[in-house]
Parts: sequence; structure tokens; C-alpha cells
Amino acid sequence: GDSVTQMEGPVTLSEEAFLTINCTYTATGYPSLFWYVQYPGEGLQLLLKATKADDKGSNKGFEATYRKETTSFHLEKGSVQVSDSAVYFCALSDTTDSWGKLQFGAGTQVVVTP
Amino acid sequence: NAGVTQTPKFQVLKTGQSMTLQCAQDMNHNSMYWYRQDPGMGLRLIYYSASEGTTDKGEVPNGYNVSRLNKREFSLRLESAAPSQTSVYFCASSAKRDPMAEQYFGPGTRLTVT
Repeated sequence: GDSVTQMEGPVTLSEEAFLTINCTYTATGYPSLFWYVQYPGEGLQLLLKATKADDKGSNKGFEATYRKETTSFHLEKGSVQVSDSAVYFCALSDTTDSWGKLQFGAGTQVVVTP
Repeated sequence: NAGVTQTPKFQVLKTGQSMTLQCAQDMNHNSMYWYRQDPGMGLRLIYYSASEGTTDKGEVPNGYNVSRLNKREFSLRLESAAPSQTSVYFCASSAKRDPMAEQYFGPGTRLTVT
């Protein structure tokens, strides 16, 4: 079945550092790919998405590019802030499955210190 | 516009007790979902509903039942709680049954079964 693998956390960074969170996937079809973010005490919210190969999703300074050849969707931000401290989830949705069910990775906690 | 709301926020049950987790959305969305979040495992789909009156099993449905009461409300019931059901439960909704559609999440219910 489909699956998503993320790098383990926690990832601890200083403010203004560069952030990369690795995400790779396994899917039989052609998935849509998502990054969701969960701030402390809150539910998840969509950060960005990409629906086909070579698409780049971006939002709030974060970017991720859908790489079909490496089955990856790594999340990057050039200069993190303390407010970026959160848990980040990579997820996929199989476009052949009309239900829109999401398959999540385990999540990566990011801690940004001043 | 409250988005997705869940009640209660916290609950402690004894083994064998029953309870219903409530979820409501005010975005006129058709699809609704219940997930559980466990450490190191990301979110796993319990049940989902494409429209009023229809529900289907997700990845981990055992021990749960659901009711799509109307377009707004989607409840999750634990008939006989077990310690393995200790988790954080999230309800989500999306506008339509579409693998590329964004899902909107509630703030979660933290359930402990002793």
C-alpha cells in the first residue's frame, strides 16, 4: 500500500537557520502530496501542496518540490523563526482513489530557539 | 465562522465505558473524516463520510462506530473503551470527495482510557 516516510525529530535549530525536512513516499498511482503543520495545542492545517511531478508548492516562506524520479517531497525554509516551532507532517493522497483519503508520515517536530 | 469544532477537548474513561466524540463543521463541506494521532505513527484514518448517510471504514476502524447525523455533524462512538484507544482524535472535513482537496482539522480531543 501507499506509505510516507519522514525524517525523525526533533530537529532543533537556531533562529534564521536553514530548515530541511526529508519526505519520501511509496505509491502505486500518481499521488498528490501535502505538507501539514500542527502548532502546539492545535489541529493540523495545510501548509502547501503539489499535485503533479515537478510542481513546487510554497507558502509562508516554505517550499517543497514534487520529485517523481526520487519519490520525494522535501520541505525547506531558508530562515526559520521561533514561530515556526511545530510538528510537520508529510502526506499523500492517491489520485486514483476518489475518496481523498490522506496517508500521513509520522511527523517531524521542529524546535527553533532564539 | 468557527470551522471544525470538536467536543470534548479532554476525556478520561475507565476500561469498558462508552462515549461519543462530537464533531461539527460550518463550511458546508461534503466529506468528513475521523483520525487518531499516536506518537511516532502520524495520523491514521478511522472512518470517513463522503456525504450525509454514507460512511466507510478507514485504516483502523475496529472498536469504533460513526454516525453522519446531517451534513454538519459527524460523531465517533467508542462502545467499550480499551487502553489501546488512548490517543488524540481529530475530526476533519473537506469540500468534496477529491484527492487534491484540502482537509480542515478540528483542535482535537485528548482521550485517556485507564
